[in-house]
Amino acid sequence: DVKVTQSSRYLVKRTGEKVFLECVQDMDHENMFWYRQDPGLGLRLIYFSYDVKMKEKGDIPEGYSVSREKKERFSLILESASTNQTSMYLCASLQGTEQYFGPGTRLTVT
Amino acid sequence: QKEVEQNSGPLSVPEGAIASLNCTYSDRGSQSFFWYRQYSGKSPELIMFIYSNGDKEDGRFTAQLNKASQYVSLLIRDSQPSDSATYLCAVPSGGYQKVTFGTGTKLQVIP
Repeated sequence: DVKVTQSSRYLVKRTGEKVFLECVQDMDHENMFWYRQDPGLGLRLIYFSYDVKMKEKGDIPEGYSVSREKKERFSLILESASTNQTSMYLCASLQGTEQYFGPGTRLTVT
Repeated sequence: QKEVEQNSGPLSVPEGAIASLNCTYSDRGSQSFFWYRQYSGKSPELIMFIYSNGDKEDGRFTAQLNKASQYVSLLIRDSQPSDSATYLCAVPSGGYQKVTFGTGTKLQVIP
C-alpha cells in the first residue's frame, strides 16, 4: 500500500515562530510537491523537487523554503510564521502518471 | 490567465444521471491532464489520467480531451450520492516535474 505521510495532522504556532512540516514517501518517487489549500483558491503550488537537493519555486513561494536531503523526505519550512500562512498544507509525490497525496497538515498561526 | 480553470459549482445532478465536469486550459502545448476527487476533509485522490485527444474510459468515468478547444471533461455515468465531492483538474508541465491544479468543481448527487 503506497504511502505519503506528513508529520502532523494539526499544528498551532505563534506568529514569528519557525515551523517545519515534514513529508515522507515510501514509493521511491522522484518528484515531490508542497501545496497549500484555501477555500475558494484551490490547491496552490508552493515548491516542488524533482531530485535530491533539487528544488524549484512554485506559484507562491514567498515566506517558505524547502529541503530535500533524502529522496523520500521533503520538508517545508516557514521561516517566520504569519497569520496569512494559516492553511491546509498538502504534500504529494509523483512518478510518471501516479501522484499520491499525504493526509495534510492543518496549520493555524495565531 | 490561470493555467487551468474550473467552474466552482456546485453542480447538482440527480442520482443515476450523467455528471459532466469541465476544465479549460491556457497552454496549447499541454498534452496530458489529471482528474482528482476530493471528499470534504480528505486529500485529493487520483481517478483519471488522460493523454492525447479523444476519450479515456475507466468504469463509470470517462475523460475527454479536446485540444482544439482547449478543454478537458470528466463524465460520471450513473452518478451515485457517494460521488458527491470536489473534482480537481490538473496539468503537468516540465516533464511532469510540476503539476498545477484548477480550483475544483463541487459535485452534489441528489438521491
